[in-house]
Amino acid sequence: DQQVKQNSPSLSVQEGRISILNCDYTNSMFDYFLWYKKYPAEGPTFLISISSIKDKNEDGRFTVFLNKSAKHLSLHIVPSQPGDSAVYFCAAYPSGTYKYIFGTGTRLKVLA
Amino acid sequence: EAQVTQNPRYLITVTGKKLTVTCSQNMNHEYMSWYRQDPGLGLRQIYYSMNVEVTDKGDVPEGYKVSRKEKRNFPLILESPSPNQTSLYFCASSFWTSGYNEQFFGPGTRLTVL
Repeated sequence: DQQVKQNSPSLSVQEGRISILNCDYTNSMFDYFLWYKKYPAEGPTFLISISSIKDKNEDGRFTVFLNKSAKHLSLHIVPSQPGDSAVYFCAAYPSGTYKYIFGTGTRLKVLA
Repeated sequence: EAQVTQNPRYLITVTGKKLTVTCSQNMNHEYMSWYRQDPGLGLRQIYYSMNVEVTDKGDVPEGYKVSRKEKRNFPLILESPSPNQTSLYFCASSFWTSGYNEQFFGPGTRLTVL
């Protein structure tokens, strides 16, 4: 039972354009959502997060949107750069628990 | 330098031969966790530990053991490895607060079980 789903395994975007990565979840008890970025041969690194009481969080070129009614999360990267090419994982957990649930990942390729 | 280290980075072994993958962090984090990454399945949590001597199962604990005798170390033990445990393994650590909890990951251990 996949509680966090990333339905697009891969995405290609031209440099300078917007990248939109999507994530859907089923557990309404999730309170916190995070995005991680992973380069080959490295561990994932934290990118940006949002709590369920917000609908948007911005950090430089990265913005995460949360639509609780649709149980949908998206990450926008504007403008996209070749260095953004990586696998992106969304993750979530309910407050009061210690179980971390990751999505299946989306491989982003930014074309120069 | 704040970091999570894992050893070994690469390991090829045979079915049934017990092995241990070590994980150590120098950030005084209470929370540590093990994940495996498989194609099409993303990262799945194997075990986690909220503090010394406190561990619990993640989503895929079968075939694995862990221990947390010291705050900085969280080894993953495969008592009798099988080919379906061939995977890329990551250890992670974090503080655990009432807010969001960013995890710091090690570089990964690629395990092949023949």
